[in-house]
Amino acid sequence: KAGVTQTPRYLIKTRGQQVTLSCSPISGHRSVSWYQQTPGQGLQFLFEYFSETQRNKGNFPGRFSGRQFSNSRSEMNVSTLELGDSALYLCASSLEATGGSYEQYFGPGTRLTVT
Amino acid sequence: GQSLEQPSEVTAVEGAIVQINCTYQTSGFYGLSWYQQHDGGAPTFLSYNALDGLEETGRFSSFLSRSDSYGYLLLQELQMKDSASYFCAVRGDTGGGNKLTFGTGTQLKVEL
Repeated sequence: KAGVTQTPRYLIKTRGQQVTLSCSPISGHRSVSWYQQTPGQGLQFLFEYFSETQRNKGNFPGRFSGRQFSNSRSEMNVSTLELGDSALYLCASSLEATGGSYEQYFGPGTRLTVT
Repeated sequence: GQSLEQPSEVTAVEGAIVQINCTYQTSGFYGLSWYQQHDGGAPTFLSYNALDGLEETGRFSSFLSRSDSYGYLLLQELQMKDSASYFCAVRGDTGGGNKLTFGTGTQLKVEL
C-alpha cells in the first residue's frame, strides 16, 4: 500500500506570495491532518479534514486554509506569505477522525522557504 | 488548552534502557501517543495509550497514568538507529471537536 505523498517536496516563495501544498492520503484513509513543524515551535496542528469537512482547526491566522476533495486528497493554502511561514509542512492521514484509530501516517513533508 | 512537557534531550549508551517522560494538560482526554522522527524524516507512529498501564511493542513500551496526567516511553536494548526525536502527543477536546497536540520533542542520542 502506497504511503502518504506530498507535493511539492521543496518550495521557495517570496513574501507576499501565496502557495498551495498538496497531500494524497493512504488509500482508504478518510482523515487528513496538516501540521507545521519549525525548530522553535515543534509540531503544531493546523487543521483536520474528514469526508471533505473541516473537523478541527488549530490556532493559525486565516491566511492558512485548506480543503479536502471527494477522493480524500487535501490541499492547504497559505496566502500573503511571511518570513515566519518558513517551515516543514506535514500531512498525516488516518482511517477515522475521532473515536477510532489514532495512528496517523505522516507524509515526507513540504519544505517551504519564504524569502 | 492543551500542553505537554518532555525533556529536550536525553543521552544513553548502546544496549542500555532509557525512559522519556511526558506530562500533559488537556480537557477531555482521549489518549497519549508517541512518535519517532529521524532527522530529515517524517514522524512515525510508535504507540498509543488510552487506558492506564503499560503497552509493549518489541523493544519499545509506553506507559500511561491518567490520574497523574503522565506517561513515558521506554526504549530497551538501545541501538544506534534509535537516535532520533521522540514526541508525545495528546488527543483532547478543543470545544468544537478534538485535536492532537504534540510535545516539543526529546532528542535521544545513543552513543557507543
